[in-house]
Amino acid sequence: QKEVEQDPGPLSVPEGAIVSLNCTYSNSAFQYFMWYRQYSRKGPELLMYTYSSGNKEDGRFTAQVDKSSKYISLFIRDSQPSDSATYLCAMTVNQGGKLIFGQGTELSVKP
Amino acid sequence: DVKVTQSSRYLVKRTGEKVFLECVQDMDHENMFWYRQDPGLGLRLIYFSYDVKMKEKGDIPEGYSVSREKKERFSLILESASTNQTSMYLCASSFLRLAMNTGELFFGEGSRLTVL
Repeated sequence: QKEVEQDPGPLSVPEGAIVSLNCTYSNSAFQYFMWYRQYSRKGPELLMYTYSSGNKEDGRFTAQVDKSSKYISLFIRDSQPSDSATYLCAMTVNQGGKLIFGQGTELSVKP
Repeated sequence: DVKVTQSSRYLVKRTGEKVFLECVQDMDHENMFWYRQDPGLGLRLIYFSYDVKMKEKGDIPEGYSVSREKKERFSLILESASTNQTSMYLCASSFLRLAMNTGELFFGEGSRLTVL
């Protein structure tokens, strides 16, 4: 079993939809959780960063961590075609420690 | 802006050839990493380095070696390329100091290697 599981999709939604992307993990020691966005033919870039449980909001994006269920989510409101990308979750035990990545979910937002 | 530059975006090599992938960062980061990215497998860590001339194995180091002679440069070497090393290779860098490290890795645009 992988330490971090993420449905690879692809996921296709119409413009304006609410998108929910999810990861589950097995290591209860993970404390730092990240979402990276990767556009086609580009390297990943950090989108959201959260510590421990709870929610964090940044514009149309909300990151949610439920440590009791070992489950993290990224919500995108009012999705746009420019949100079309692969979204990778990542997590680590210690700040600055080795990141463990999910497989990535490919998202397509259709106009 | 942080910039991580990978020297080659696309390479085609033959089985048994020696391959060098070069990576340079301009933000004085201590940490540098090499990942490979394959469909369905995500990013897997090959090697990383916390300092000049220092290297640590990641999760899949077999068939690879690295070199870090200068702080800004981290090279990945495939001594004898094989077809199962066909992949996207991503270099990344970050700060070492915890106070400055939010977990953010800065990635290059990737080098797509095909081994025939």
